[in-house]
Amino acid sequence: AQSVTQLGSHVSVSEGALVLLRCNYSSSVPPYLFWYVQYPNQGLQLLLKYTSAATLVKGINGFEAEFKKSETSFHLTKPSAHMSDAAEYFCAVSGSGGSNYKLTFGKGTLLTVNP
Amino acid sequence: NAGVTQTPKFQVLKTGQSMTLQCAQDMNHNSMYWYRQDPGMGLRLIYYSASEGTTDKGEVPNGYNVSRLNKREFSLRLESAAPSQTSVYFCASSIQSLNQPQHFGDGTRLSIL
Repeated sequence: AQSVTQLGSHVSVSEGALVLLRCNYSSSVPPYLFWYVQYPNQGLQLLLKYTSAATLVKGINGFEAEFKKSETSFHLTKPSAHMSDAAEYFCAVSGSGGSNYKLTFGKGTLLTVNP
Repeated sequence: NAGVTQTPKFQVLKTGQSMTLQCAQDMNHNSMYWYRQDPGMGLRLIYYSASEGTTDKGEVPNGYNVSRLNKREFSLRLESAAPSQTSVYFCASSIQSLNQPQHFGDGTRLSIL
């Protein structure tokens, strides 16, 4: 079975500061990993995905994530936070084999950006 | 570009009432999903349809039924609504492949009194 743990349900940063959102996964097969963002009263939008082509993945809005197999991690970073980054972020994993195309989501991290 | 469209956006029901949440996608995706989102719980899969003509239970299927009407449409039905089903419901669709992302609708906010 696969699972995702997001450390920190709430992260608060100042505008211009580094954003680091943590995600650790558990999977019995090589995983496919995704980060999604959810703005208030909206659905989830894909930020980036890891599909084994490169360990450092660049996404939209200046976000990137690094896949570290030895640490089973896929942390999301952005060098300089902007007010518009305030949202909830979800890490998700797929790839448990067979015909199972389901995603397993973490519980989410709410990012607050202070002026 | 419509993507995934969910109707209605908001609904208030009384305990015991029934209703159907509608979802349609225009991306020619094979797979469709229904999730519920509750505070601090992330997204939990209710039912999914890997391809037209098939449906399977997810993590929290009790109290729900689904119909994959055709390739575009996947509906979720609450036969006898309970307060515990108060939630935000999201529909998603994807290409039938492990490395393809799911595309989400804007959700239906359902309150059951």
